[in-house]
Amino acid sequence: KQEVTQIPAALSVPEGENLVLNCSFTDSAIYNLQWFRQDPGKGLTSLLLIQSSQREQTSGRLNASLDKSSGRSTLYIAASQPGDSATYLCAVRHDQYSSASKIIFGSGTRLSIRP
Amino acid sequence: DAGVIQSPRHEVTEMGQEVTLRCKPISGHDYLFWYRQTMMRGLELLIYFNNNVPIDDSGMPEDRFSAKMPNASFSTLKIQPSEPRDSAVYFCASSLYSSSYNEQFFGPGTRLTVL
Repeated sequence: KQEVTQIPAALSVPEGENLVLNCSFTDSAIYNLQWFRQDPGKGLTSLLLIQSSQREQTSGRLNASLDKSSGRSTLYIAASQPGDSATYLCAVRHDQYSSASKIIFGSGTRLSIRP
Repeated sequence: DAGVIQSPRHEVTEMGQEVTLRCKPISGHDYLFWYRQTMMRGLELLIYFNNNVPIDDSGMPEDRFSAKMPNASFSTLKIQPSEPRDSAVYFCASSLYSSSYNEQFFGPGTRLTVL
């Protein structure tokens, strides 16, 4: 059974710092991995999606990497801003479920950027 | 497109009452998902549909929960009778299998409080 873990559960850093959020999964046979952002009281916004054949994806100040063999992904945020404060969730789609589109979420990292 | 639309955004009801949550997926999407998010359990998949047909309802917690998708543009999640432990945020998401690696797009959620 696939399990997705995100550590730490919460992180607070001063504005301007570069930071890394971690995601690990127990079964490396994944179809893809997706990073989401969730603001308080809001839905999920997709940030980056990495296919299993890819090693990283970039969008603006965000860079997500994927190491399938070790069951890890990282989300790198450069030059953090207070507006980056949110909960970040990673989610994996397991290969054997790819045709069924089911994805499994981590519990998230609550990020706070101090001005 | 307006994105995934959910209604109501907030629902407060008393234990024992019937609750109906509604979702309008993105036009043209062929998959629809219902998720529940709580502090204790995080984000859990309840059920998903493909072309209006329920594919996997193994996440539905009890027989009190039921979901329907009468057509491609509308789905409901019903809880009858509701209980305080059903209090959570319920998200609907949709995706198109043939594009963007089946990326899921989430609605804003319905915050349900059962007193």
